[in-house]
Amino acid sequence: KNQVEQSPQSLIILEGKNCTLQCNYTVSPFSNLRWYKQDTGRGPVSLTIMTFSENTKSNGRYTATLDADTKQSSLHITASQLSDSASYICVVSAPMDSNYQLIWGAGTKLIIKP
Amino acid sequence: KAGVTQTPRYLIKTRGQQVTLSCSPISGHRSVSWYQQTPGQGLQFLFEYFSETQRNKGNFPGRFSGRQFSNSRSEMNVSTLELGDSALYLCASSQDRVTGELFFGEGSRLTVL
Repeated sequence: KNQVEQSPQSLIILEGKNCTLQCNYTVSPFSNLRWYKQDTGRGPVSLTIMTFSENTKSNGRYTATLDADTKQSSLHITASQLSDSASYICVVSAPMDSNYQLIWGAGTKLIIKP
Repeated sequence: KAGVTQTPRYLIKTRGQQVTLSCSPISGHRSVSWYQQTPGQGLQFLFEYFSETQRNKGNFPGRFSGRQFSNSRSEMNVSTLELGDSALYLCASSQDRVTGELFFGEGSRLTVL
């Protein structure tokens, strides 16, 4: 069964610290893996999109890595800011018959404390 | 370039009523998808439309339906509302339905009393 699992479920860190969020998936084959940031009560915003051939992709203080062999991805946030408080969602796009599907993780809720 | 626009932003209905939500995608985007998000839960996929055709459908009862118009605008309808339908309904548009980035609207927050 195609699944995307994220850990930890929630995380609290102090402002200025770094953190790493994990995403494990059982989807195979897949087209791409995405990370989204969702502020409370708002729509998600795309951070990165990686195909299976890409190992790393950065977007400012956000760096995503992908290991297609172990089916793991991580999102590293450097020098966290209060505005980084949000849910971070990992999504895998996979072909399905003549169609495709997006498999969404449940997200990691990140809280940055001053 | 205008983003994805969802209307209304907030609405309150009572059980048994029906509701229609609207989504205007980014200009040039032909793929529109809908998601339901209940408090503390992840996004649950409802359906996706591309060029006026439903291409994907999630596991929701038939009370949930949608459509897309020739200008790519989309509507979703929920009939015979239940308390459990209270949620944030999000619409996303994309230029490429397989590899393209999803752009989300701010959502329509539905409360069913």
